[in-house]
Amino acid sequence: KAGVTQTPRYLIKTRGQQVTLSCSPISGHRSVSWYQQTPGQGLQFLFEYFSETQRNKGNFPGRFSGRQFSNSRSEMNVSTLELGDSALYLCASSLEGTLNTGELFFGEGSRLTVL
Amino acid sequence: AQSVTQLDSQVPVFEEAPVELRCNYSSSVSVYLFWYVQYPNQGLQLLLKYLSGSTLVKGINGFEAEFNKSQTSFHLRKPSVHISDTAEYFCAVITYSSASKIIFGSGTRLSIRP
Repeated sequence: KAGVTQTPRYLIKTRGQQVTLSCSPISGHRSVSWYQQTPGQGLQFLFEYFSETQRNKGNFPGRFSGRQFSNSRSEMNVSTLELGDSALYLCASSLEGTLNTGELFFGEGSRLTVL
Repeated sequence: AQSVTQLDSQVPVFEEAPVELRCNYSSSVSVYLFWYVQYPNQGLQLLLKYLSGSTLVKGINGFEAEFNKSQTSFHLRKPSVHISDTAEYFCAVITYSSASKIIFGSGTRLSIRP
C-alpha cells in the first residue's frame, strides 16, 4: 500500500512569488492535514480537509490556503512568499477524516526555501 | 489554551541504556496524547497514543508511555535503546472539542552513543 506522497520534495522561490504543494493521501483516506515545520517554531498545524471541505484551521495568515479534490488529493498554496515561509511542509492523511484519534500518516515533506 | 512542553531539547544516552523523554501538557479539558518519531529526512511516524483506558501504553519499537493525569504528563520510556532509535521525538495533544486541533511539542532529539 503506497504511503503519503508529497511533491515536489524540494523547491526554491523568491520573495513575492507563490507556491503550490501537492499531497496524495493513502488510498481510502479522506482526510488530509498540513503542517509547517521550522527550527524556531517547531511543528504547527495549518489546516485539515475532509471530503473537500476545510474542517479546521490553524493560526496562519490568509496567504496560506488549501483545497482538496474529489479523489482526496490536496494542494496547499502560499502567496506573496516571505523569507519566514522557508520551512518543511508536511502533509498527513487519516482514515476517518478527523484529528480526534491522531491516526496520522505523514509524507516526507516538501522543503521550501525562500530567497 | 492547550500547550505541550517537552522539557529536554536533546537527550544523549549510551546504547543499551534506558531513556525517558519528558512531556507535560496543559489543558482544561480531556485530551488525547501521542508520541511521534521523525527519523532524518523523513516524515513523522506514530509511536503510540493514549485515548482512554489503561494509563500505560505500549507502542512500536519497544517504547512505552504512561499517562499521569494529576501531573499532566505523558513521558516516553524505553528500557534499552539502540543506535537505530536516533531520531527526533514529538509529543502531541488533541483536546476533546468541536474544533479539534493537534498541538505538537518542540521535540526532543535523542542521540545514541555506541
